Amino acid sequence: QVQLVQSGAEVKKPGASVKISCKASGYTFTTYTIHWVRQAPGQRLEWVAWINIGNANTMYSHNVQGRVTLSRDTSASTAYMELGSLRSEDTAIYYCAREATAYSLFYWGQGTLVTVSS
Amino acid sequence: DIVMTQSPLSLPVTPGEPASISCRSSQSLLHSNGNTYLEWFLQKPGRSPQLLIYMVSNRASGVPDRFSGSGSGTDFTLKISRVEAEDIGVYYCMQALQAPRTFGQGTKVEIK
Repeated sequence: QVQLVQSGAEVKKPGASVKISCKASGYTFTTYTIHWVRQAPGQRLEWVAWINIGNANTMYSHNVQGRVTLSRDTSASTAYMELGSLRSEDTAIYYCAREATAYSLFYWGQGTLVTVSS
Repeated sequence: DIVMTQSPLSLPVTPGEPASISCRSSQSLLHSNGNTYLEWFLQKPGRSPQLLIYMVSNRASGVPDRFSGSGSGTDFTLKISRVEAEDIGVYYCMQALQAPRTFGQGTKVEIK
């Protein structure tokens, strides 16, 4: 069965960087695009970026463009999101999600809490 | 960016009764290929979102048939025919037509 398992919670200081991983299993990793979605405390879901695992093409939200980098390691079936110049408003749960039928986000990771605090 | 607006934002429900959530987009979600890319998610407390509906009206695998989606263009509706206690949580609509994908504010469904 398809699974996305994310790395553990992180606490970072403002200005630092964080790199989150999303390890996939149960399918051919290079076949599907992976998205990153975040949710600040008490807020709505916010789409952050996507990466086409096959060709490494990426697309980023305006809110994080210039600060976020998506990458993947096909040998480890793992996708990564690195967010730099962290601000308090980046405090959120970050989810990875895999596309399925008609680009829908059917499979989700368990989420990674990133806390930015001095 | 496409703005997604849901109503109501809070919905008290009685088990066994129907419920309905509305979602409106700031522009049509109809793609040139004829498909309309509107999805519905349920986020239960402390859990990751789960896909309920894709392309307006297609139930995702494993979703009970009491959930149904309808609509076209810019106006969409999620209906629960008979609410069950396990349906509580926050429901989000999301457009998948173009990047950035955008979500509605969420509708919190709770038992009366």
